[in-house]
Amino acid sequence: DTAVSQTPKYLVTQMGNDKSIKCEQNLGHDTMYWYKQDSKKFLKIMFSYNNKELIINETVPNRFSPKSPDKAHLNLHINSLELGDSAVYFCASSQGMGQVYEQYFGPGTRLTVT
Amino acid sequence: AQSVSQHNHHVILSEAASLELGCNYSYGGTVNLFWYVQYPGQHLQLLLKYFSGDPLVKGIKGFEAEFIKSKFSFNLRKPSVQWSDTAEYFCAVNARGGSQGNLIFGKGTKLSVKP
Repeated sequence: DTAVSQTPKYLVTQMGNDKSIKCEQNLGHDTMYWYKQDSKKFLKIMFSYNNKELIINETVPNRFSPKSPDKAHLNLHINSLELGDSAVYFCASSQGMGQVYEQYFGPGTRLTVT
Repeated sequence: AQSVSQHNHHVILSEAASLELGCNYSYGGTVNLFWYVQYPGQHLQLLLKYFSGDPLVKGIKGFEAEFIKSKFSFNLRKPSVQWSDTAEYFCAVNARGGSQGNLIFGKGTKLSVKP
């Protein structure tokens, strides 16, 4: 059973389009995250979402909006895509977020903006 | 602000050689420490973690890491690498009790093992 799944795995689209990436976890965790991995493999947090509270990373453009219909899902919607948005986006989940916990990562979505 | 430094960008070893990858973090409080591995084209997998207790932690696939609090370090080691260990290795830290809960990652070390 896949613990953290993402769809699609690959996404190729043109500049200016709007796209969504879906994430689902079946671990019963209460916290989910989105990370961006750039072309140099550097991973950086974008958002964390815990029990309906969204923690926004201030360096993320407001074209990016996470949406969580329930605790098992955290989708990422991106408006007006730009070339610089090309990256691999990883979803992750954990139980708790303040003390002792570990994060489980999804397989990633490779977004290419042309 | 928290940060994580990985000293080596790319390490090239022959099979059976010993491995040590450096990781230092900057944060004055209590932290949780992790090493993740990313095999080519795959997602991040947890190698090992440190929360508390014995500073020498053992992970999967023969990896271990030592937490040295005085040096703010969490170096990864393996006595004898295999070709299958070729991957990108990421050190990560999160502040215990932090409000965001996110992991701060180092920039990664690419390990290439020659058969």
